[in-house]
Amino acid sequence: AQSVTQPDIHITVSEGASLELRCNYSYGATPYLFWYVQSPGQGLQLLLKYFSGDTLVQGIKGFEAEFKRSQSSFNLRKPSVHWSDAAEYFCAVGAYAGKSTFGDGTTLTVKP
Amino acid sequence: DAGVIQSPRHEVTEMGQEVTLRCKPISGHNSLFWYRQTMMRGLELLIYFNNNVPIDDSGMPEDRFSAKMPNASFSTLKIQPSEPRDSAVYFCASTQGGRADTQYFGPGTRLTVL
Repeated sequence: AQSVTQPDIHITVSEGASLELRCNYSYGATPYLFWYVQSPGQGLQLLLKYFSGDTLVQGIKGFEAEFKRSQSSFNLRKPSVHWSDAAEYFCAVGAYAGKSTFGDGTTLTVKP
Repeated sequence: DAGVIQSPRHEVTEMGQEVTLRCKPISGHNSLFWYRQTMMRGLELLIYFNNNVPIDDSGMPEDRFSAKMPNASFSTLKIQPSEPRDSAVYFCASTQGGRADTQYFGPGTRLTVL
């Protein structure tokens, strides 16, 4: 069965600093990987996804993620964080019928 | 497209009452998911449908919870009787049904059971 681990429950970074959120997955076949963001009081929104091709994926809001098969990882990065990036971030692996298995989420706090 | 529509957005009810949450998925989407989110347990998948058929309801906490999808454009999640521990935000999401397909989430229903 597939699983997703987000090792960091909470991360705090200063505005303008770089960001990396970690995601490790377990899946028997080629994984379909997603990062979603949830702003307070809202539903989850897709940031980016990987399912084939270039292992460096660009997403919305200046985010990118790199798929590393050898490390079973799909870490999310942003070179310069903005205060509006404060939110909860979920990594997910896709499965049959569009079902996704989500990680427990990482809450990002941005210091001014 | 209007996106996934959920109603009501907020629901406050008393313990023992029946609660019905509603969801309209994005037109053309074949799979629909109901999630529950709490601080303690995070995001939990309750049940999902593919082509209106329930595929996996193993996440439904107990018999008080039931879900239906009578047609491709409507689904309900019912709690009867409701209990205070059911207080949570309930999300509906839909997707076209492939492994690489994005899930589109509704705004959620915040349920408070007193």
